[in-house]
Amino acid sequence: NAGVTQTPKFRILKIGQSMTLQCTQDMNHNYMYWYRQDPGMGLKLIYYSVGAGITDKGEVPNGYNVSRSTTEDFPLRLELAAPSQTSVYFCASSYAQREQYFGPGTRLTVT
Amino acid sequence: DQQVKQNSPSLSVQEGRISILNCDYTNSMFDYFLWYKKYPAEGPTFLISISSIKDKNEDGRFTVFLNKSAKHLSLHIVPSQPGDSAVYFCAPSGAFGNEKLTFGTGTRLTIIP
Repeated sequence: NAGVTQTPKFRILKIGQSMTLQCTQDMNHNYMYWYRQDPGMGLKLIYYSVGAGITDKGEVPNGYNVSRSTTEDFPLRLELAAPSQTSVYFCASSYAQREQYFGPGTRLTVT
Repeated sequence: DQQVKQNSPSLSVQEGRISILNCDYTNSMFDYFLWYKKYPAEGPTFLISISSIKDKNEDGRFTVFLNKSAKHLSLHIVPSQPGDSAVYFCAPSGAFGNEKLTFGTGTRLTIIP
């Protein structure tokens, strides 16, 4: 069991570029989440999904898009990257909403 | 609007002594409270939780206390060990149907050998 995997681990983007952060889980969890963590702050929920084909906005969705075509995968898309999106991004999954399992994170810098 | 506050950004404790991490919340709809632990360059991992119908939950060296009237919870670690050095997040959630987690800002615990 790999758990939750995220790629890439690090990425530097120029302003206006786009990228997709990949997230895969092998625990057959229905729930999946994307968070961002800024320095000195807690995790903020960007988007979440309660199952394949169903996604919903979290607290800070602006500038991001997601899709959930399979149970395993939940990619996060950044269009037109901005410096404010410099952050560490965590993907998580869970069977029930509360006890979430997190991936190792992607550190993104937008310059 | 910060619904979950961990007012101590950092805490240093001698090895073998008790570590006490605090968390205050404002949302009375929270009814389940989790603590997550995070090491550098890793994702958070679930540590311990407590339901609002309890005031204490114990798991080995870790005990969480909940004071609903004060909207306050605390995590006690005793005895503290060097491997406990990490950032600890308090993460309450709402009732069934609204169980998304709301994370506090975290407390960095350093255990001094």
